Amino acid sequence: AQTVTQSQPEMSVQEAETVTLSCTYDTSESDYYLFWYKQPPSRQMILVIRQEAYKQQNATENRFSVNFQKAAKSFSLKISDSQLGDAAMYFCAYSPDRGSTLGRLYFGRGTQLTVWP
Amino acid sequence: KAGVTQTPRYLIKTRGQQVTLSCSPISGHRSVSWYQQTPGQGLQFLFEYFSETQRNKGNFPGRFSGRQFSNSRSEMNVSTLELGDSALYLCASRETVEAFFGQGTRLTVV
Repeated sequence: AQTVTQSQPEMSVQEAETVTLSCTYDTSESDYYLFWYKQPPSRQMILVIRQEAYKQQNATENRFSVNFQKAAKSFSLKISDSQLGDAAMYFCAYSPDRGSTLGRLYFGRGTQLTVWP
Repeated sequence: KAGVTQTPRYLIKTRGQQVTLSCSPISGHRSVSWYQQTPGQGLQFLFEYFSETQRNKGNFPGRFSGRQFSNSRSEMNVSTLELGDSALYLCASRETVEAFFGQGTRLTVV
């Protein structure tokens, strides 16, 4: 069974500093996608970054980057130069790659990130 | 391009009643998934529809049902509401890898 684990229920960071959120997952599939979603107080889930399992290169999106370790089944999110607007709940998610059909999303329990001015 | 639209945004219902929530996906997206979010259980998958067919179903009782129309709009229905059904219900629209979420419907059962 696919599971996603986020071991840090809460994290905090000073504005302009760097923070890393951890995520591990369990799957027997070889092809899949990994995502980090952000859920601010407005409650709308927003995609932050995604990683295809077949790509060895870690994904980056501006201040956001991931450390994808496929053998260890680890997928951490690094936020550089943290901003007040980064404060939110962050969810790690996994989706199997089923080719022409898309698999469902499996979510972790989330990490609440606080950014201090 | 318009985003995913969920209606209503907020809903208060009494135990035993039934409720229908609506989700309009992004134009061109054929996959619609529903998730229930609660503080205690986190995000739980309800079901996924693709081109009017239910393709995947989570571990919820039969009181939870859904459907998808030919225009890809989806509805989910909860019958005989229980207090524990109080939650944020999120709809996700997808055509390729990325899933786009609506703002959710906050259901309160009293």
